[in-house]
Amino acid sequence: EIVLTQSPATLIVSPGDRATLSCRASQIVNHNNVAWYQQKLGQAPRLLIYDAFIRATGIPPRFSGRGSATDFTLTISSLQSEDFAVYYCQQYDNWPLTFGGGTKVEI
Amino acid sequence: QITLKESGPTLVKPTQTLTLTCSFSGFSLSSYGVGVGWFRQPPGKALEWLALLYWDGDKRYSPSLLSRLTIAKDTSKKQVVLSLTNMDPSDTATYFCARTFNSTFAVHWRIFDYWGQGTLVTVSS
Repeated sequence: EIVLTQSPATLIVSPGDRATLSCRASQIVNHNNVAWYQQKLGQAPRLLIYDAFIRATGIPPRFSGRGSATDFTLTISSLQSEDFAVYYCQQYDNWPLTFGGGTKVEI
Repeated sequence: QITLKESGPTLVKPTQTLTLTCSFSGFSLSSYGVGVGWFRQPPGKALEWLALLYWDGDKRYSPSLLSRLTIAKDTSKKQVVLSLTNMDPSDTATYFCARTFNSTFAVHWRIFDYWGQGTLVTVSS
């Protein structure tokens, strides 16, 4: 099983700041098979990024992903008020599908 | 418009079997590449994948829950049912269903782009 470790657990930022979230895998994730989701309190997850860097439909360009092998990053270039949420990475390279523990982005 | 909605009991007793139904619209589970997955999220904790059922009947389960889980579909009713036996208070969580990503690449059928709102299940005597 691929274990995903996200850091930091909590990121305290201000609107307009740049936020960088990390997702580290316990083994190489082939073909960059990593997705990122956003989850607001009381809501379902929302797909942001897949294949490590491809934005899902309707996702604004301030969200970007990069990385390879075992280290992946989600960057929010200029935080908007609606971006304060918990972010999860998911690997889909191997079964079972696994998620990271999440990074909470708060003011 | 694609929608999914979970339904089932909100309270179950320890040792009972939980049965949840995901009712969906806007897509067909008999279409090539389509799948519906189940996830859960204990209060204040991270997401956990449980099971996934594909259009062709292929089923995948979380190894840690394999002996307790069953996933099945009723294509005509546009429903996917998840059963989890021998419930324990540690199974208290919000349970979500979600549809797999629409793509020509099979590996993308392990990503989820449409989700239900979730249903909170509490396990308590």
